[in-house]
Amino acid sequence: DAKTTQPPSMDCAEGRAANLPCNHSTISGNEYVYWYRQIHSQGPQYIIHGLKNNETNEMASLIITEDRKSSTLILPHATLRDTAVYYCIVRVEYNFNKFYFGSGTKLNVKP
Amino acid sequence: DVKVTQSSRYLVKRTGEKVFLECVQDMDHENMFWYRQDPGLGLRLIYFSYDVKMKEKGDIPEGYSVSREKKERFSLILESASTNQTSMYLCASRGQGIYEQYFGPGTRLTVT
Repeated sequence: DAKTTQPPSMDCAEGRAANLPCNHSTISGNEYVYWYRQIHSQGPQYIIHGLKNNETNEMASLIITEDRKSSTLILPHATLRDTAVYYCIVRVEYNFNKFYFGSGTKLNVKP
Repeated sequence: DVKVTQSSRYLVKRTGEKVFLECVQDMDHENMFWYRQDPGLGLRLIYFSYDVKMKEKGDIPEGYSVSREKKERFSLILESASTNQTSMYLCASRGQGIYEQYFGPGTRLTVT
């Protein structure tokens, strides 16, 4: 599975958009990009995933560059409850059960 | 909503003890997982199971074993606990053909 690189921490003002970058320059054609988050003292929570196209759901948007070497998770209106560690993961389709979680980005949403 | 529960939130055990961590999911998921989470290392997969009585090693299986006798329950066993097994243990489940894993709240195990 491809490795991912994320900044260790980011700050965001409440009500503003939070844009969390992820680099996955060695991603291969059959690898999906997943985002999970982990709020303090809880288990990780699925947010969104994509292969090539941009994706949006009720929680967030995922923008994947055309060359697929990087992606950005966008929380359109961050709230204090979005303070968490955000993990960007790539996964090969055939290795469906193995998720490699790195160290993630600690997002601090400030009032 | 999918619910994954773990038997304890906090556990303190002594070196050499046999430790059982239990995980139960209520969504009839085929796949279940055990991870440990340590600062700076992220989540690391210990074992997973894709069916009753079936298991596969993850990346760090040494010192651990698992048991899956019923579909809804997946147990992690530390045969002889050691201090380097002090960690947060997370259980997860995933249905067949479903992309996301659902995680339990975690068990913080301290081995003294």
